[in-house]
Amino acid sequence: AQSVTQLDSQVPVFEEAPVELRCNYSSSVSVYLFWYVQYPNQGLQLLLKYLSGSTLVKGINGFEAEFNKSQTSFHLRKPSVHISDTAEYFCAVSDTGGGNKLTFGTGTQLKVEL
Amino acid sequence: NAGVTQTPKFQVLKTGQSMTLQCAQDMNHEYMSWYRQDPGMGLRLIHYSVGAGITDQGEVPNGYNVSRSTTEDFPLRLLSAAPSQTSVYFCASSPNPGRGDNEQFFGPGTRLTVL
Repeated sequence: AQSVTQLDSQVPVFEEAPVELRCNYSSSVSVYLFWYVQYPNQGLQLLLKYLSGSTLVKGINGFEAEFNKSQTSFHLRKPSVHISDTAEYFCAVSDTGGGNKLTFGTGTQLKVEL
Repeated sequence: NAGVTQTPKFQVLKTGQSMTLQCAQDMNHEYMSWYRQDPGMGLRLIHYSVGAGITDQGEVPNGYNVSRSTTEDFPLRLLSAAPSQTSVYFCASSPNPGRGDNEQFFGPGTRLTVL
């Protein structure tokens, strides 16, 4: 079984400031790692994913994430946020051994202020 | 492509009523799933399907039924609605069953309130 922890339920940040959203996971098997974004009143869409290889993964809208196996973390970062980045961000994992089932974290609400 | 569509967008039910949430996708995806989203709990898997005629339970299946008669459609049935089923429901699809590295495509959601 897997679990995902997003310790920060809300992160306020000023526009053009950097941001980091934290994600830690626990699993007895190897996992794939994902970040999804949910804009207000919309469904989720994929930001980026880590499957294997380079631990630094770049996604859409200038976001990137770094996989750290020893710390079982997959933190999401953006060097300069924009008002349009205001959304809820979900970290998720799936089992590399097969199956499409995603286990989600509880989400982090990013609020970008002027 | 319309992607993943869900109807209705909003629904209010009384306790004990039944209803079906509709989900359709036009991407010829084999894998489809239903999640519910509750504040502070993220998304939890209700049921999923790896192809027409094949369904299985997820993390929170009680009170819900599904069927998959075609590749395109994956309806979710609430047999006797309870206030605990008040939630936002998302349908998702993915091209390859058994491939955990695939992106999942989400519908816009159905907001359900049970009084």
